[in-house]
Amino acid sequence: DIQMTQSPSSLSASVGDRVTITCQASQDISNYLNWYQQKPGKAPKVLIYDASNLETGVPSRFSGSGSGTDFTFTITSLQPEDIATYYCQHYANLLFTFGPGTKVDFK
Amino acid sequence: EVQLVQSGAEVKKPGESLKISCKGSGHSFTTYWIGWVRQMPGKGLEWMGIIYPGDSDTRYSPSFQGQVTISVDKSISTAYLQWSSLRASDTAMYFCARLGIGENYFDYWGQGTLVTVSS
Repeated sequence: DIQMTQSPSSLSASVGDRVTITCQASQDISNYLNWYQQKPGKAPKVLIYDASNLETGVPSRFSGSGSGTDFTFTITSLQPEDIATYYCQHYANLLFTFGPGTKVDFK
Repeated sequence: EVQLVQSGAEVKKPGESLKISCKGSGHSFTTYWIGWVRQMPGKGLEWMGIIYPGDSDTRYSPSFQGQVTISVDKSISTAYLQWSSLRASDTAMYFCARLGIGENYFDYWGQGTLVTVSS
């Protein structure tokens, strides 16, 4: 089984800060990696798919990069509405694995 | 507009059975996989399984195989998640979600169904 880890598990930042979250796979997963945002009490929403592709309608301050085992998710300028938990998710052959999540809040 | 509308919150006792639903609209229901995701209180997302409404092909996460049953009634564009004997540890929010056409990410989600199991 492929295991997904994320770091940090939580972070505090200020409006306008650059925020970076990393996701690591236990083995090479190519670019089969998505990023979701989940706000409290809401369903998750996909932001980035296939490691680096921005979902339609998602602000350009969100970006993703990486391949193989190491991936990065970045918010270039944190906005108040970005307070949420962010999850990476691996997919392969109709099997899906979520990372443990990174909670982002305001300093 | 694509929508997935889930059934309402449930409160059950341990040992009881339960079936929750997810009704799709605004898209060709039979040509997109529908998945189920669990979120225990204060915890992260766990993928449970997925079903293809066109032919009822179903895949389960090893963690949930044998613990739940996923089914579909394509005549009414509805997917189901059911338990034969609930446990307190099944207390969680359950989301259904549509797998996008590229079969790589979940692009539309239901609003979630809260299941509470308590004696």
